[in-house]
Amino acid sequence: AQSVTQPDIHITVSEGASLELRCNYSYGATPYLFWYVQSPGQGLQLLLKYFSGDTLVQGIKGFEAEFKRSQSSFNLRKPSVHWSDAAEYFCAVGDGDYKLSFGAGTTVTVRA
Amino acid sequence: DAGVIQSPRHEVTEMGQEVTLRCKPISGHNSLFWYRQTMMRGLELLIYFNNNVPIDDSGMPEDRFSAKMPNASFSTLKIQPSEPRDSAVYFCASSSPGLAGTEQFFGPGTRLTVL
Repeated sequence: AQSVTQPDIHITVSEGASLELRCNYSYGATPYLFWYVQSPGQGLQLLLKYFSGDTLVQGIKGFEAEFKRSQSSFNLRKPSVHWSDAAEYFCAVGDGDYKLSFGAGTTVTVRA
Repeated sequence: DAGVIQSPRHEVTEMGQEVTLRCKPISGHNSLFWYRQTMMRGLELLIYFNNNVPIDDSGMPEDRFSAKMPNASFSTLKIQPSEPRDSAVYFCASSSPGLAGTEQFFGPGTRLTVL
C-alpha cells in the first residue's frame, strides 16, 4: 500500500521569501505524485503532478516540484511567496488506478 | 466547465437526524469519489464509483453511511442517523478515464456539523 509523509505540520514564511515543502512517499512501483492546495473554506486544487519524464515539474501559481527516486521525495518549491499562498498543501501518491493516498498536509502562513 | 458541484455547502443538524449530501461531477467524468476530512484522520476515501457502480466502499465507516449514484451526473451520500462524530468536511471528486494516474478534481466540500 502507498503512503505519504509530510514532515512539516506548519511553516511560516515571509512574503517574498522562498518556500519548500517536503514530501516523502512509500510505494513499490512507479508512483504517480501530486501536490494539491486547499485555501480556507475551499476544496482541493491541483498544483502539479508527476507521472514520468522530466523529474522537475512546473505547476500553476509559480510552483514547481522535483521527483527524486533515490530519496523517495517529491518536494514542492516556490521562489518568492505571495500572501495569497497562505493555505494548506497536500502531497498525494496514486497507484495509477483510482486510489490516492494523501499526506497530513502542511499549513503555510505568510507574514508581511 | 463549472467544476464539481456540491450542496449544501454547510449543514448543521441534530444528532439522530438524516443528512443527505449531494454531488454533481464534471460532465464526461466517469469516476466519482467521496472523501471525509477531519483534523484527526485527514482525508479519507469513503467510496469510489466507476460508471455509476460502487467499486470500493471499504472506507464507509459503518452502516449509517450510504452512497448512491443513480446516473452519471448525480451522487448522494446519506448519513442516517447522524452522530456528533460525523462532523467533518465531506468532499466529492471526479476523474476522467483519459487522465492518467488518477488525477482527481475536487468540489468545494460540505461542512457538516452534528450537534
